Amino acid sequence: AQSVTQPDIHITVSEGASLELRCNYSYGATPYLFWYVQSPGQGLQLLLKYFSGDTLVQGIKGFEAEFKRSQSSFNLRKPSVHWSDAAEYFCAVRGGGSNYKLTFGKGTLLTVNP
Amino acid sequence: SAVISQKPSRDICQRGTSLTIQCQVDSQVTMMFWYRQQPGQSLTLIATANQGSEATYESGFVIDKFPISRPNLTFSTLTVSNMSPEDSSIYLCSVVTENEKLFFGSGTQLSVL
Repeated sequence: AQSVTQPDIHITVSEGASLELRCNYSYGATPYLFWYVQSPGQGLQLLLKYFSGDTLVQGIKGFEAEFKRSQSSFNLRKPSVHWSDAAEYFCAVRGGGSNYKLTFGKGTLLTVNP
Repeated sequence: SAVISQKPSRDICQRGTSLTIQCQVDSQVTMMFWYRQQPGQSLTLIATANQGSEATYESGFVIDKFPISRPNLTFSTLTVSNMSPEDSSIYLCSVVTENEKLFFGSGTQLSVL
């Protein structure tokens, strides 16, 4: 069965600092990996996804993530955080082909200090 | 892309009652899913809504508690039956479009008193 672990429940960074949110997955084959962001009272917005190819994936809002098969990781990064990035971030995995069921991690809440 | 309208956006209900949540998409989609996000928790898949047939439920979820309808390729409903405070959650509709892109609705925030 597929699973996702986000080790950090809550992270606080200062505005302008760099950010890395960790995600580890478990899946028997090559996974499809996603990062979503959820702001208070908002739905889920897709930041980026990895299906295949280049292991460094660029997303929206200046985010990027790197797929590392050897470490079963898909960490999300941003070089300089903005106050508007404060939100909950979810890593998710699904199988390939027509299996569109997503398994989500428990999320990481990001607080940005001015 | 797909524009998803999910209604209601929020509701406060009394225990023992039922609430039906609607998910309307502006285009035909191949798949529709319902997720639950309990307070402070991640999203958990409830079921896959199958067009013209019974939904496929994930472990821990049953049709009597969460009946789902999908009469056509653009619409689905999820009913939360005989509610208790433990059902207080955000319920989200998710769709897969014909070009295999996945989108989420904005969710229904349910509070059960």
